[in-house]
Amino acid sequence: NAGVMQNPRHLVRRRGQEARLRCSPMKGHSHVYWYRQLPEEGLKFMVYLQKENIIDESGMPKERFSAEFPKEGPSILRIQQVVRGDSAAYFCASSPPTSQETQYFGPGTRLLVL
Amino acid sequence: GEDVEQSLFLSVREGDSSVINCTYTDSSSTYLYWYKQEPGAGLQLLTYIFSNMDMKQDQRLTVLLNKKDKHLSLRIADTQTGDSAIYFCAGEMDSSYKLIFGSGTRLLVRP
Repeated sequence: NAGVMQNPRHLVRRRGQEARLRCSPMKGHSHVYWYRQLPEEGLKFMVYLQKENIIDESGMPKERFSAEFPKEGPSILRIQQVVRGDSAAYFCASSPPTSQETQYFGPGTRLLVL
Repeated sequence: GEDVEQSLFLSVREGDSSVINCTYTDSSSTYLYWYKQEPGAGLQLLTYIFSNMDMKQDQRLTVLLNKKDKHLSLRIADTQTGDSAIYFCAGEMDSSYKLIFGSGTRLLVRP
């Protein structure tokens, strides 16, 4: 049973470019969460999605960031016009429909903005 | 809002017990969690405790919860070098799916 998968594992972008981060939840999981971890800090909640629905995006920056979880395919976290302050590790977690409390995390995507 | 705090660093000798402490401000979390993060890796859920419980034991891991003092601890018995990692405690921020994490305790196990 594969765990939560994220790709790419590492992403380097220049300022102004777009970053697209992908997350495939565990099999049978229909809830996806994105978190951001800045260096030497804990994870900060960004967004919670179910298939084709954004449930809670209260942790997302108002501009440049968007997330989706389409009916088919992985969840995507998209950062437009990246800036140096976006450099961080972005983690995706998933949970089964019956147990939101138990979130299983992917290995993360480490984004570096030059 | 919820705030979760941990000490930054702990060093123990192999074979000793490790105790990692965490304090939180909001007592409304239904569950409290411990995650382990190894270098360059994601977070591994180690264990969690229901807020009605005082203690939970799982093999070498013991979780203690003091609701009155809003204090959570993770004890690792017979600590091994493979336990060296960053340990995060997490609670729930106003809803069960919105986890809030401490800044992590870096555990170093010396041979």
